[in-house]
Amino acid sequence: DAKTTQPPSMDCAEGRAANLPCNHSTISGNEYVYWYRQIHSQGPQYIIHGLKNNETNEMASLIITEDRKSSTLILPHATLRDTAVYYCIVPFTSGTYKYIFGTGTRLKVLA
Amino acid sequence: NAGVTQTPKFRILKIGQSMTLQCTQDMNHNYMYWYRQDPGMGLKLIYYSVGAGITDKGEVPNGYNVSRSTTEDFPLRLELAAPSQTSVYFCASSYSTSVDTQYFGPGTRLTVL
Repeated sequence: DAKTTQPPSMDCAEGRAANLPCNHSTISGNEYVYWYRQIHSQGPQYIIHGLKNNETNEMASLIITEDRKSSTLILPHATLRDTAVYYCIVPFTSGTYKYIFGTGTRLKVLA
Repeated sequence: NAGVTQTPKFRILKIGQSMTLQCTQDMNHNYMYWYRQDPGMGLKLIYYSVGAGITDKGEVPNGYNVSRSTTEDFPLRLELAAPSQTSVYFCASSYSTSVDTQYFGPGTRLTVL
């Protein structure tokens, strides 16, 4: 079963780039990697997803390594409102609709 | 659109009691999910459904039951509440699987004493 590994916590200065890594070495070749975040106790919020190419949207950029075993979420100019828990998500079981939300990375943006 | 709504927002149960957590979505999504989140932990999938009448187990299904009689509703049933079921429960829906996003409800905070 695919699993993810993320650092439990990170700090980032306001206005600087936040780089959040994730290892997903067991992911299958046709499975996407998704990133969500959870602010305080709210429901998780979708950020971005990708398969093999780098992706960018209005919230963040996603860099996926060529071997697809890891990825990095980049918040280019972190603000205090980006303080949250960030989850890197892959399917629980290959080819299924079940997704694993691990413990995530608690990002604290410092003023 | 209201999105995904959950009721109640808070509930305290005594050990052995039963209750149903309600989840409704108005986006005509086929896929719906129930997660639980223990304090300081990530989300764990309890059950999911790929359409009306079709459900399947997630990571932690023991102690729970679900049904999906309509596209809109996906209730989660706790039959014999235990302290280990104290958690925040999130319902989510999506209209596809591998490339779509899941929309989450606001959560139900359940305490079993």
